[in-house]
Amino acid sequence: QSALTQPRSVSGSPGQSVTISCTGTSSDVGGYNYVSWYQQHPGKAPKLMIYDVSKRPSGVPDRFSGSKSGNTASLTISGLQAEDEADYYCCSYAGSSYVFGTGTKVTVL
Amino acid sequence: QVTLRESGPALVKPTQTLTLTCTFSGFSLSTSGMCVSWIRQPPGKALEWLARIDWDDDKYYSTSLKTRLTISKDTSKNQVVLTMTNMDPVDTATYYCARIYRVVVDYWGQGTLVTVSS
Repeated sequence: QSALTQPRSVSGSPGQSVTISCTGTSSDVGGYNYVSWYQQHPGKAPKLMIYDVSKRPSGVPDRFSGSKSGNTASLTISGLQAEDEADYYCCSYAGSSYVFGTGTKVTVL
Repeated sequence: QVTLRESGPALVKPTQTLTLTCTFSGFSLSTSGMCVSWIRQPPGKALEWLARIDWDDDKYYSTSLKTRLTISKDTSKNQVVLTMTNMDPVDTATYYCARIYRVVVDYWGQGTLVTVSS
């Protein structure tokens, strides 16, 4: 199973919006509505931010939103804040396995 | 409150077998839909899914690593064990265990760094 493709980095000023794409295949992203997104700060474990493509766990700000079209999922962070600076990974269910994305570093300028 | 904690050796030699234990609380691995997975992350690199064990003892492995991995559970002790044979320096990584409930990888342990070196 090949890793899902994400941009290496995205950046934005405080208050702006950024979108991270996550491209897979019909065997993973395109085949299931089970895409999750994780935020990872340096030296920390990943934290679930979005699941089932667009659902937010309790406690995650509504500035974070997810969507999917075909084989590509997206995470949008609106109203960017300093604490949003981190690495972000997408993850898709793929039948009996899971596949993660290549990771995107979000920089708040 | 769901918590998971990984334990095992910090250093292993090439060709040795790695055994990691995930001890969890706040949920039962006998509940329908409940699973535990192992995921690793080499320093500075992306996450990689390794294996999963389900509430009904079904087991699934990464295609590229399945010949080297074994996952098992002890429901009474709330533990999941992962063994990886024939360790190599490229297997140096932080190893995480994580809970999966109804397909969603929702809670993660803090991770344990395993270095493979002679």
